[in-house]
Amino acid sequence: AQSVSQHNHHVILSEAASLELGCNYSYGGTVNLFWYVQYPGQHLQLLLKYFSGDPLVKGIKGFEAEFIKSKFSFNLRKPSVQWSDTAEYFCAVSFSGSARQLTFGSGTQLTVLP
Amino acid sequence: ETGVTQSPTHLIKTRGQQVTLRCSSQSGHNTVSWYQQALGQGPQFIFQYYREEENGRGNFPPRFSGLQFPNYSSELNVNALELDDSALYLCASSQPPGTGDADTQYFGPGTRLTVL
Repeated sequence: AQSVSQHNHHVILSEAASLELGCNYSYGGTVNLFWYVQYPGQHLQLLLKYFSGDPLVKGIKGFEAEFIKSKFSFNLRKPSVQWSDTAEYFCAVSFSGSARQLTFGSGTQLTVLP
Repeated sequence: ETGVTQSPTHLIKTRGQQVTLRCSSQSGHNTVSWYQQALGQGPQFIFQYYREEENGRGNFPPRFSGLQFPNYSSELNVNALELDDSALYLCASSQPPGTGDADTQYFGPGTRLTVL
């Protein structure tokens, strides 16, 4: 079965530090890739997505992600985090032929210290 | 534009009971997917509805069932509730297949179900 792994369960950073959250998936076929964010008390919001084309995608709030097909990875990055980025981040993948269902990683809790 | 809405916000049931959760899709979206998010985990796909029919199902038993109505709203029904069914239930909607953003799902706030 296809799976998605997020190896960092909890990341703690100081404001202005750089962020990189890892995401790997297990599937050799065509995929659509997503990062969602869940701020405290709020619902899941789409940060960015990759379907095809330029493997470096930019999302909202200064986030970006790079798709590396050979490594089955879609890591999320932000050059300088802010306290307001404190949230849980989920990587999600839809696999070809899966009726567009999303398979999520277990999430990474990011805490940014002021 | 109204986003995805879900009701109720919270629900407490006892083991063995049945529950119905409701979802209204975002305007222009005719596909609805349901997910279960247990505490500390990522959402898990339950099933998807398109044109009032089930269009894909995850690894959930038959006591999890659903409906989609002509206005694209949807219900999730769970029979014979078990303690492990305690979770946040998320509904997501997406545009019709073949449209530009059809593969993107937009989530509602969820229903927090507690089974005692």
